[in-house]
Amino acid sequence: GENVEQHPSTLSVQEGDSAVIKCTYSDSASNYFPWYKQELGKRPQLIIDIRSNVGEKKDQRIAVTLNKTAKHFSLHITETQPEDSAVYFCAAWSFFKTIFGAGTRLFVKA
Amino acid sequence: DVKVTQSSRYLVKRTGEKVFLECVQDMDHENMFWYRQDPGLGLRLIYFSYDVKMKEKGDIPEGYSVSREKKERFSLILESASTNQTSMYLCASSLRRGTTYEQYFGPGTRLTVT
Repeated sequence: GENVEQHPSTLSVQEGDSAVIKCTYSDSASNYFPWYKQELGKRPQLIIDIRSNVGEKKDQRIAVTLNKTAKHFSLHITETQPEDSAVYFCAAWSFFKTIFGAGTRLFVKA
Repeated sequence: DVKVTQSSRYLVKRTGEKVFLECVQDMDHENMFWYRQDPGLGLRLIYFSYDVKMKEKGDIPEGYSVSREKKERFSLILESASTNQTSMYLCASSLRRGTTYEQYFGPGTRLTVT
């Protein structure tokens, strides 16, 4: 079946550094790629998304890039802050169904 | 502000019991989803529904069933609970059409089966 692979599973960075999380997907029909952030004990919340007709999208310190040919998409967080510490999930949507990656636990050290 | 609520935050059941988890959303969303979340496995889709009385299997439907009699309510049923169904269960809802398919999640139900 369809799947989404996400790397790394754990990422530790120093405050102020950048963090990059990468995902690959298998279903070529996927046309919407959201990223969710889940803080400890809380529900996942959408932080940024990108549609298949766009190659890059930016929102302040976060950006997402998409390479449809290679079926890769990535999340970039610049100038990381302690409050960025959380689990991040990438996902791929097609035909009502969202397939999530396994998640990346990001630690930002002050 | 979208609100998705789940009937219980914590639930403890015995093996073999029938378990009902309920989810209610107040934003008139067509799509509703049930996931289970386990460490290292992310969010795995159990069932989803894109309309009243409609249901589709996700990736791990075995041992579960669902019911959607009203648009705002989506129930997950464990017919005979087993210990390997101990997990965090998350409900979500989304619009069917639009520029975004953002899913709004409930707070989760942590189910323990003993």
